[in-house]
Amino acid sequence: EAGVTQFPSHSVIEKGQTVTLRCDPISGHDNLYWYRRVMGKEIKFLLHFVKESKQDESGMPNNRFLAERTGGTYSTLKVQPAELEDSGVYFCASSPDRVGEQYFGPGTRLTVT
Amino acid sequence: GNSVTQMEGPVTLSEEAFLTINCTYTATGYPSLFWYVQYPGEGLQLLLKATKADDKGSNKGFEATYRKETTSFHLEKGSVQVSDSAVYFCALVGAQGGSEKLVFGKGTKLTVNP
Repeated sequence: EAGVTQFPSHSVIEKGQTVTLRCDPISGHDNLYWYRRVMGKEIKFLLHFVKESKQDESGMPNNRFLAERTGGTYSTLKVQPAELEDSGVYFCASSPDRVGEQYFGPGTRLTVT
Repeated sequence: GNSVTQMEGPVTLSEEAFLTINCTYTATGYPSLFWYVQYPGEGLQLLLKATKADDKGSNKGFEATYRKETTSFHLEKGSVQVSDSAVYFCALVGAQGGSEKLVFGKGTKLTVNP
């Protein structure tokens, strides 16, 4: 069974540019989560999808971040325009149900210069 | 709100040494507790978990006991190996607002030298 995959593994962009991160969850997992770890700090929750619906987006930092999950399969997280403080590692996780183990992808390291 | 506090690293040990990484939490209700590990170049992996008070989670020689009276979930291993070098994260899940989002500590980097 393939695990959670994320693309790209690393992205370096300039302040003001746009970046789109992609997450492919484990097949059949309805629940998809985005988290991020800013340098030296905790891994923090961004949002949670159940299928294509946003269940909880309380962790999204501001309206420069847009997450989608069309068709309830893969998800994208767009940052537009990127700021320096957006640098960090963005993790995606999926779960077959809301109380089950969350399986994490390898993360996307975003560097904004 | 819910929060997790874990000992800050980095921690450097010699092979076969005893490991303890402290973790305490603040939560409403009865959260489930987890230890995740991130090996170099890899994603987060669940190491062990406990879902109720006095439960002991164990895996790969690591153990942690859910202590409700001290709100703690300390990670221990009796004899570490070089391959245990990684970053360890304590986390909890509490049902707030219907979303089972994980709340993490800051992570503790462990380096084990031969």
